[in-house]
Amino acid sequence: KAGVTQTPRYLIKTRGQQVTLSCSPISGHRSVSWYQQTPGQGLQFLFEYFSETQRNKGNFPGRFSGRQFSNSRSEMNVSTLELGDSALYLCASSDTGRGQSVNTQYFGPGTRLTVL
Amino acid sequence: AQSVTQLGSHVSVSEGALVLLRCNYSSSVPPYLFWYVQYPNQGLQLLLKYTSAATLVKGINGFEAEFKKSETSFHLTKPSAHMSDAAEYFCAVRGPGGGGNKLTFGTGTQLKVEL
Repeated sequence: KAGVTQTPRYLIKTRGQQVTLSCSPISGHRSVSWYQQTPGQGLQFLFEYFSETQRNKGNFPGRFSGRQFSNSRSEMNVSTLELGDSALYLCASSDTGRGQSVNTQYFGPGTRLTVL
Repeated sequence: AQSVTQLGSHVSVSEGALVLLRCNYSSSVPPYLFWYVQYPNQGLQLLLKYTSAATLVKGINGFEAEFKKSETSFHLTKPSAHMSDAAEYFCAVRGPGGGGNKLTFGTGTQLKVEL
């Protein structure tokens, strides 16, 4: 099976702009999670989607949003970009839902966002 | 709330030496624990996971980890380091509760392997 894919891999934006990142999970996986990785804060959970519904959300401002489509592909959007939003954004997918056996998260290569 | 603490942000070993990366967890319920590795400019790759089936967990690339409830630890080891093991390693715990797949990560340990 193909792995998790993320597009674009690199992105440069300026303050105040908005950005949309895309994630295609492993075929058959219905859960998609997003993480932000920065040198200062490390890996932080943004949100998780399962069957087009957000079921977990991290402590990020409302400028960060996401959605999931019926084919399980997911997008995340950041509006009114700030310098501090520069980070590696990682997407992960897993194949079973709530309450079942441990779900293994498989990560994509990430999107490197630079805000100037 | 569940959390993990990784002791040592940087570890340096000689090629062929034992690798020991430390992780301690805090959890009010039996945890699900993971070790991931990240190579430069790449995403995270799963090394191994603990799901309560066995306390000694074997992973890829010769790595293993032992779950010790009495010490709340889940340290990662490899008997003989290779240059290709140089990377950043993250310990993670699933949760806190409410279902779902949220992972809480440690701060990471950068492993350097020297000749």
